[in-house]
Amino acid sequence: EIVMTQSPATLSVSPGERATLSCRASQSVSSNLAWYQQKPGQAPRLLIYGASTRATGIPARFSGSGSGTEFTLTISSLQSEDFAVYYCQQYNNWLSLTFGGGTKVEIK
Amino acid sequence: QVQLVESGGGLVKPGGSLRLSCAASGFTFSDYYMSWIRQAPGKGLEWVSYISSSGSTIYYADSVKGRFTISRDNAKNSLYLQMNSLRAEDTAVYYCARDGRYNFGALAFDIWGQGTMVTVSS
Repeated sequence: EIVMTQSPATLSVSPGERATLSCRASQSVSSNLAWYQQKPGQAPRLLIYGASTRATGIPARFSGSGSGTEFTLTISSLQSEDFAVYYCQQYNNWLSLTFGGGTKVEIK
Repeated sequence: QVQLVESGGGLVKPGGSLRLSCAASGFTFSDYYMSWIRQAPGKGLEWVSYISSSGSTIYYADSVKGRFTISRDNAKNSLYLQMNSLRAEDTAVYYCARDGRYNFGALAFDIWGQGTMVTVSS
């Protein structure tokens, strides 16, 4: 099983600032990585797939980068609606899809 | 609009069974691979199972293999998860989710239901 490790567990950021979230895979997943946003009481929402491609309707302030084992989700200027938990997910191993443990982005 | 609606959750005793359903609308269900993904209270996401568009290919997470069965009825635009031999650790919100391979070639989940809660407790 590919283990996905996200850091930090919690990120405190002021509105308007930049947020940088990390996701590390225990082995290479190439660019087969997605990012999701989840708000309390809601289902996750797909933000990024293919490590860097924004999903339909996702604002340009969200960007993804990386390949292999190291990935980053950047939110360029945090808006109030961006405070949430973010998960990465690898799909390089179709037989065993795995998610990271999540990073909570909270208001500083 | 494109929508997934789960049902069938509830309280069940350890060792019991439950069948979850997911009704799809607003898209051609038979074109898409589908998955079940769960989230224990206060925890992260765990992929449970997926099924190909025709139902011919199925995979399960090791944690549920041999106990859970995924199926679909394309005529009814519905996805199912039969859960047997339930354990306390199966307690979670269960989401059905649409696989993005048909639309954009990636096994990422672009449409999610609102989830249904399964509680396994005596």
